[in-house]
Formats: sequence, structure tokens, C-alpha cells
Amino acid sequence: GAVVSQHPSWVICKSGTSVKIECRSLDFQATTMFWYRQFPKQSLMLMATSNEGSKATYEQGVEKDKFLINHASLTLSTLTVTSAHPEDSSFYICSAREFFRSSYEQYFGPGTRLTVT
Amino acid sequence: GQNIDQPTEMTATEGAIVQINCTYQTSGFNGLFWYQQHAGEAPTFLSYNVLDGLEEKGRFSSFLSRSKGYSYLLLKELQMKDSASYLCAVNNNAGNMLTFGGGTRLMVKP
Repeated sequence: GAVVSQHPSWVICKSGTSVKIECRSLDFQATTMFWYRQFPKQSLMLMATSNEGSKATYEQGVEKDKFLINHASLTLSTLTVTSAHPEDSSFYICSAREFFRSSYEQYFGPGTRLTVT
Repeated sequence: GQNIDQPTEMTATEGAIVQINCTYQTSGFNGLFWYQQHAGEAPTFLSYNVLDGLEEKGRFSSFLSRSKGYSYLLLKELQMKDSASYLCAVNNNAGNMLTFGGGTRLMVKP
């Protein structure tokens, strides 16, 4: 089956610093990847859609200058949280999609837990 | 707008059957997914429905009625390891994005 990896799996950083999270599709090419954020006991909230070779599409309310997304190749997308603050502490999950029957199934990475102190 | 509703929490007994409902109102529809998510882990795919009817896969079955905007996930012969959150997600065909419901936390008791 399709495998998506994320790195790091967890990170602790100080307020004001930047953190980069990598998302890789290991055994398939993904022209589109998605970035989600999940707070405790809540569902996944889509932050942005990352398209290979073009600018990401951000959801309403997500600051594009704070959450920088780069999708430089068909197997790698990165999310950089710039000038992190404690309220950015969350579980960040990426997914990559692959065509499945008449729709696209999304395969999720294992997630990255970010704690900003 | 997009609106996907699921019960917040459910409790069931080991060995029993539980049905988790999901209702949706979306601007488009191109399939409904069910995912299982254990605490601190990423969601894992359970089922996909795009046509009306029941899809069965082992202990798990999923049903869809597009006219009613309704789906359910049926779990049979519950096991303790089935304690998890179950997420209903709709592909609304707008860029093939998934919109997730709030998730249902299922607790299986002995």
C-alpha cells in the first residue's frame, strides 16, 4: 500500500523560532499533498493544499506567511512554521492522494507533534 | 458551506455491534470515507462509498444513502482495540479535498 512518512515525529521549539516539517510519499508520486492541523480531541482541520511546482492553496483563516509550504518534487512537501508561538502547538498531519476507483484516497503520514515553549 | 455531523462519543461492550452515523450537507459529492484514528496517531483508511448501498469488509461495514446525505459505519464483534476515534470525511469534488466531520470517540468496555 501507499506509504507516507513525516519527519520529525515530534519537535519542541522555543517561541519565535521556525520549524520545518517534511512529508514524503515513499512508493508513489503525489502531485497533491494536504496539510492538516489537529488539536486535542478535535478532528482534522485542513490548512492548505500543496501542489507540486506551484503555490499552495490556503484555507480561510490560515496565514500563508506564517505557514510556508513548498512542494518541490512529486514526493516531497514541506511545511515551515515561522516565528512559532505556543498557540501553534498542535499535531500536524500531511496526506498524499492517489487515485482510487472514481475518487482520490488520501494516505496519511504518521503526524508531527509540535510543542512551542 | 460544508457540514458533516457525527456523534461526539459512543460507548459499547466488547463483542457487541455498534453503528456510528454521519450526516452531511456539502456543495458537491464524490465519495465518502471512514477513517479510524487512535490517539496520537494518523488516521487509517477503513472504507469508501460513492454509490448507495452497503460495503462490507470483515468486521466493518459502511452504508451510504446519497439522497439522504447519510452514512453509517457498522462495527461487529467489537474488540477492545476498536476503541478509537472514527472520522467521516466527504470528498466534495472541489479540488478533490476531504472535509472531515468532528469524529466519534468510541470506547469499548469489557
